[in-house]
Amino acid sequence: KQEVTQIPAALSVPEGENLVLNCSFTDSAIYNLQWFRQDPGKGLTSLLLIQSSQREQTSGRLNASLDKSSGRSTLYIAASQPGDSATYLCAVGTGGFKTIFGAGTRLFVKA
Amino acid sequence: EAEVAQSPRYKITEKSQAVAFWCDPISGHATLYWYRQILGQGPELLVQFQDESVVDDSQLPKDRFSAERLKGVDSTLKIQPAELGDSAMYLCASSSGLASRHVTDTQYFGPGTRLTVL
Repeated sequence: KQEVTQIPAALSVPEGENLVLNCSFTDSAIYNLQWFRQDPGKGLTSLLLIQSSQREQTSGRLNASLDKSSGRSTLYIAASQPGDSATYLCAVGTGGFKTIFGAGTRLFVKA
Repeated sequence: EAEVAQSPRYKITEKSQAVAFWCDPISGHATLYWYRQILGQGPELLVQFQDESVVDDSQLPKDRFSAERLKGVDSTLKIQPAELGDSAMYLCASSSGLASRHVTDTQYFGPGTRLTVL
């Protein structure tokens, strides 16, 4: 059974710092991996989608990498801003049309 | 920009009552998902539709939950009777790709319905 783990569960950093969020999964047979952002009480916003054949994707200050063999993905946020404060979730697409989410990392960027 | 619409945004009900949630996906999106998210956890898939057909409802508690997408467009999720443990955020998402392709397109989420069962 696929399990997705995100570490740390919460993170507080000063504004301007570069940071890395981690996502690990137990079964490397995935089709894709997505990173989402969720603001309190709101729905999810897709940030980056990495297909299984890709190693990384970039969007603005965000860079996500995927290493299927080790079951890991990282989301790198450059020059963090208070507006980046949110919960970041990763989700893997697996066989049987399933998308499995991690519990998320709550990020707080201090001004 | 096209968005996934959900209503109501908030619902408070007493246990044993019936509740229903509505979702209108982005126009033209063939795949529709209903997720349940308990506070502090990631979303868990309840049911997935490809057009009007269910492709996965293995995690849907079928004794009390039902979902339909009759015309392959909007969808309704119903709970009857509601239980205290059903309190959660119910999220709807859609994607344009075919579920069978596995290499799925990005999922676009609605704002969710926050359900509180008293």
